[in-house]
Amino acid sequence: DTQMTQSPSSLSASLGDRVTITCRASQSISSYLNWYQQKPGEAPKLLIYAASSLQSGVPSRFSGSGSGTEFTLSISSLQPEDFATYFCQQSSSAPWTFGQGTKVEIK
Amino acid sequence: QVQLVQSGAEVKKPGSSVKVSCKASGDTFNSHAITWVRQAPGQGFEWLGGIIPFFGTANYAQRFQGRVTITADQSTNTAYMELSSLKSEDTAVYYCARGVRSTSYYFDYWGQGTLVSVSS
Repeated sequence: DTQMTQSPSSLSASLGDRVTITCRASQSISSYLNWYQQKPGEAPKLLIYAASSLQSGVPSRFSGSGSGTEFTLSISSLQPEDFATYFCQQSSSAPWTFGQGTKVEIK
Repeated sequence: QVQLVQSGAEVKKPGSSVKVSCKASGDTFNSHAITWVRQAPGQGFEWLGGIIPFFGTANYAQRFQGRVTITADQSTNTAYMELSSLKSEDTAVYYCARGVRSTSYYFDYWGQGTLVSVSS
C-alpha cells in the first residue's frame, strides 16, 4: 500500500496568513493526489484533484502543486472559514489511502 | 444536485454485522462509482471498497476482504455496505462518497456519515 504522510500534523496561523501543507507519498503517484477539507462533525469537502486542479466552487485562494512523491496545498490568505483539518488522498493505486490530516487552528 | 443520504447510527455487539445504506439523487448511479470510507474517532480515513452500480462490480481493500460486502440497487438508487464479524476497532463514522474518474480518481460528493458503535 502507498503510505501518505502529511506535515505538519497541526499548525497555528492568523487571518490573512499564507499557509502551506505538505503531503509525501511512499512511492511515486504521478499527479494522482487529491486534497479535502473537513470541519468538525461534517463530511469532507473536495478542494483539489489531480494535484493542482481546483474543484468547482472552491475559492481561488486554495492551490495545489507537486508530482511524484511530494505535494503541497497552499492557502494564500487564511479566512475564518478555513480553520479546519486538511487531508490528502492518493488515487494512483488501490487501496486508496489518505494522509493523517493537518489541523489548521487560529493563532 | 447530487445528494447522498445515509442511514442512521447503529449500535452493535462484537461478532455481529451492520448494513449501512446510501441513497443517491441525480444521475450518480448511471455514471459514477460509490465508494465507502471510514473514520475512527480522532483518526484519518480508511478506504473499505467501492462499486460501480451500472456494472454491479465491487472491489474491496484487501484488509477487509471477506468481511465487507458492497452492493447497489439501481431500482432505488441505493448502495449498501455490510461489515461482518464486528470488533470494537470497527467503531467509526462510515461515509459513502461518489467516485469520479477523470485526471485523477476523487470523491466529490459525500454522505453525511453513519456512526457505527461496537460495544459489548
